[in-house]
Amino acid sequence: EVQLVESGGGLVQPGGSLRLSCAASGFTFSDYYMDWVRQAPGKGLEWVGRVRKETNSYSTVYAASVKGRFTISRDDSENSIYLQINSLKSEDTGIYYCARVNGNYDYWGQGTLVTVSS
Amino acid sequence: DIQMTQSPSTLSASVGDRVTITCRASQSISTWLAWYQQKPGKAPNVLIYKASTLESGVPSRFSGSGSGTEFTLTISSLQPDDSATYHCQQYNSYPLTFGGGTKVEIK
Repeated sequence: EVQLVESGGGLVQPGGSLRLSCAASGFTFSDYYMDWVRQAPGKGLEWVGRVRKETNSYSTVYAASVKGRFTISRDDSENSIYLQINSLKSEDTGIYYCARVNGNYDYWGQGTLVTVSS
Repeated sequence: DIQMTQSPSTLSASVGDRVTITCRASQSISTWLAWYQQKPGKAPNVLIYKASTLESGVPSRFSGSGSGTEFTLTISSLQPDDSATYHCQQYNSYPLTFGGGTKVEIK
């Protein structure tokens, strides 16, 4: 059974940093690109970025709104991806999901809540 | 960036009704479109991908159609369990983008 489990969310002050994790199981993790998608409270879904697989040099691509502040990485030995978020702003508040890429997203984690507030 | 415009933003219908949700792309995305269902407090789940392919395990009352810039999600006979928000997503090009969502309520 495919499972994606996010962790690392919490309350952080503006300007702070956070590192989110997504642990995968139930499939050959190294075969897939993985994405982060977020959802502000009561709002729609927003793509954050992607980390490709080893054969694509683990390259990354980001939404313009987060480029330069967010860094996505992966560790295939740990079957995990990570989202390092720096210089947090109030508009970064929301639920952060990791998702497996199969063209579209065929599996999502349950999400982890990030709240940016003083 | 490709803008995805969903309509309506909310709809209320009765059990058994046929329901149609529309998603328009600001430029052609071929058939690189997915539809997701999201219930409160839960992650989205894929219903349809490549515009018209039903995900395994999804009830056959759900169907998708369209190509280019105009797409529809149809629920042929609305059921109580279909109360949710529906999102379209284009995965033709970066940045990947979603529609604003359609909240479906049962009368």
